Amino acid sequence: EPEVTQTPSHQVTQMGQEVILRCVPISNHLYFYWYRQILGQKVEFLVSFYNNEISEKSEIFDDQFSVERPDGSNFTLKIRSTKLEDSAMYFCASEGGFEQYFGPGTRLTVT
Amino acid sequence: EDKVVQSPLSLVVHEGDTVTLNCSYEVTNFRSLLWYKQEKKAPTFLFMLTSSGIEKKSGRLSSILDKKELFSILNITATQTGDSAVYLCAVGLGGSQGNLIFGKGTKLSVKP
Repeated sequence: EPEVTQTPSHQVTQMGQEVILRCVPISNHLYFYWYRQILGQKVEFLVSFYNNEISEKSEIFDDQFSVERPDGSNFTLKIRSTKLEDSAMYFCASEGGFEQYFGPGTRLTVT
Repeated sequence: EDKVVQSPLSLVVHEGDTVTLNCSYEVTNFRSLLWYKQEKKAPTFLFMLTSSGIEKKSGRLSSILDKKELFSILNITATQTGDSAVYLCAVGLGGSQGNLIFGKGTKLSVKP
């Protein structure tokens, strides 16, 4: 069964460093999303991506964040200068027929 | 502001019990309602509902949507310890958005 994959599973970085989180969506899906979940809180939408451009983004998705689909299979989330409050679980999701399927997540820890 | 409210926030039952989890919503542009099960990490897709009154069923789990009263329920019959998880309700937005608005989840604990 096709699934969304994400790497790495856990990333530890120092404040101010850049991180890139990677996702491989389900191959025939066209809509891709990033969400985050701070420990103990609800899942929050960050950004949606369709046809090689951002279609919607939340207030959380400020200038420190960017997304890219560099090669037609990977979908990446970059955080340019990480802050302590960026520590969270980051989930990638891809959508087929309105159903969104989530990857296993990357736990980002900023120290 | 779009919001999704789940109740109860936590629930403890014994194996064999039947549970009903609730989800109400207020959104400006409704497209769909989705239920997920979250154990340790990623939300696992359970159901997507778009039409009122049509029950979706998968084994011991079932769900229904009421678009007039703006809520959905998730039923689990004959609960098992493996059903212990956080159950998330999310509303998919329409138009150019498509993103999901999540509730806080209901933490279900099933005791043997």
